[in-house]
Amino acid sequence: DAMVIQNPRYQVTQFGKPVTLSCSQTLNHNVMYWYQQKSSQAPKLLFHYYDKDFNNEADTPDNFQSRRPNTSFCFLDIRSPGLGDAAMYLCATSRRLAGGFTDTQYFGPGTRLTVL
Amino acid sequence: AQKVTQAQTEISVVEKEDVTLDCVYETRDTTYYLFWYKQPPSGELVFLIRRNSFDEQNEISGRYSWNFQKSTSSFNFTITASQVVDSAVYFCALSEAQGAQKLVFGQGTRLTINP
Repeated sequence: DAMVIQNPRYQVTQFGKPVTLSCSQTLNHNVMYWYQQKSSQAPKLLFHYYDKDFNNEADTPDNFQSRRPNTSFCFLDIRSPGLGDAAMYLCATSRRLAGGFTDTQYFGPGTRLTVL
Repeated sequence: AQKVTQAQTEISVVEKEDVTLDCVYETRDTTYYLFWYKQPPSGELVFLIRRNSFDEQNEISGRYSWNFQKSTSSFNFTITASQVVDSAVYFCALSEAQGAQKLVFGQGTRLTINP
């Protein structure tokens, strides 16, 4: 059974048209992450949530926003997609444990975003 | 700052050969985690192993083995008797031991196993 689900798997949007990517999890993990992976590159962390506490990476563009309405769901909003935002977007989840340690991250299948 | 280097961009071998993927890391942290993930053509990142910096024991899981050497800051991955299904991009990653476990990935090694 899929544990980290991303919808849609493929998304096509137009230049400048807002788009939302979805991630859900059945693991009841308290940490959720969004990564951007451009073609032939390594994944790069955009931001993460620890419960409802949002943590943005310093170099994540303002064009990228995120929402986490509950434990199970997390959304990535791209307000005005540019051609350079075409990428695979990967969601991951993990558990923050007692003592401040975080368990292994498990990834969803990703959403491949095309910007026309 | 943390950094992971995978010097081999692409490797191509014939099925049943053994292959080793290299990973070298840099960190100022005294405690940290090292990881290997597999990314098949479908795109999903599949977790393979996590190693705590305190644990330098090598690990074997079936045809997979990992060699962690703190003295050389390396965490190499060997596939024995490779199979076509092992074809994928493999990422080595590093994270802090505490806190959010933000993963810093190497650039990946594309492994092709030819029949």
